[in-house]
Amino acid sequence: GAVVSQHPSRVICKSGTSVKIECRSLDFQATTMFWYRQFPKQSLMLMATSNEGSKATYEQGVEKDKFLINHASLTLSTLTVTSAHPEDSSFYICSARDLDSTNEQFFGPGTRLTVL
Amino acid sequence: DAKTTQPPSMDCAEGRAANLPCNHSTISGNEYVYWYRQIHSQGPQYIIHGLKNNETNEMASLIITEDRKSSTLILPHATLRDTAVYYCIVKTSGNTPLVFGKGTRLSVIA
Repeated sequence: GAVVSQHPSRVICKSGTSVKIECRSLDFQATTMFWYRQFPKQSLMLMATSNEGSKATYEQGVEKDKFLINHASLTLSTLTVTSAHPEDSSFYICSARDLDSTNEQFFGPGTRLTVL
Repeated sequence: DAKTTQPPSMDCAEGRAANLPCNHSTISGNEYVYWYRQIHSQGPQYIIHGLKNNETNEMASLIITEDRKSSTLILPHATLRDTAVYYCIVKTSGNTPLVFGKGTRLSVIA
């Protein structure tokens, strides 16, 4: 099946710094990628939809200036958490849709962000 | 608004079939039923999906009622590695994202 990778898998940063998370579709092209966030013992919450070559669409309540999304190619989308604070500590998961494979949505392994 | 309703948790003995129910009484005619699972601290994993016919693959079977208002995911011989949160999601086949509810936490017990 299609593989989605994320890097890094785990990051610890100081409050006020910015963190970039990469999401790659390894063996397929993805015109659309999705970013989710998951707090402990909660379900995945959709943050934004990332379309290649255009601006991301953010869900209600998600600050687009804080969570910068760039989808510059058909295999790479990045999420940058700017000026991170402890409340941004979470599990960030990306997902990509393989349009050539019955529209299945494949997920990356997730990135654990801890802001001190 | 939650489109699906699932029990919060279930237990299953190792080697037995695990039957996970899902209610989706407001499902539209063009919406599919998708099942994903999430093992602790990993990304969700696709299991199976269907529109109205029952489906089977190497992982599981999906039984959809004739009125499509509910479905059951069946893991025929549960193993300890099947312990996870199972999510039932209804959506169209278009380019819209999966929206996750709370899911069912399945614990497979030795």
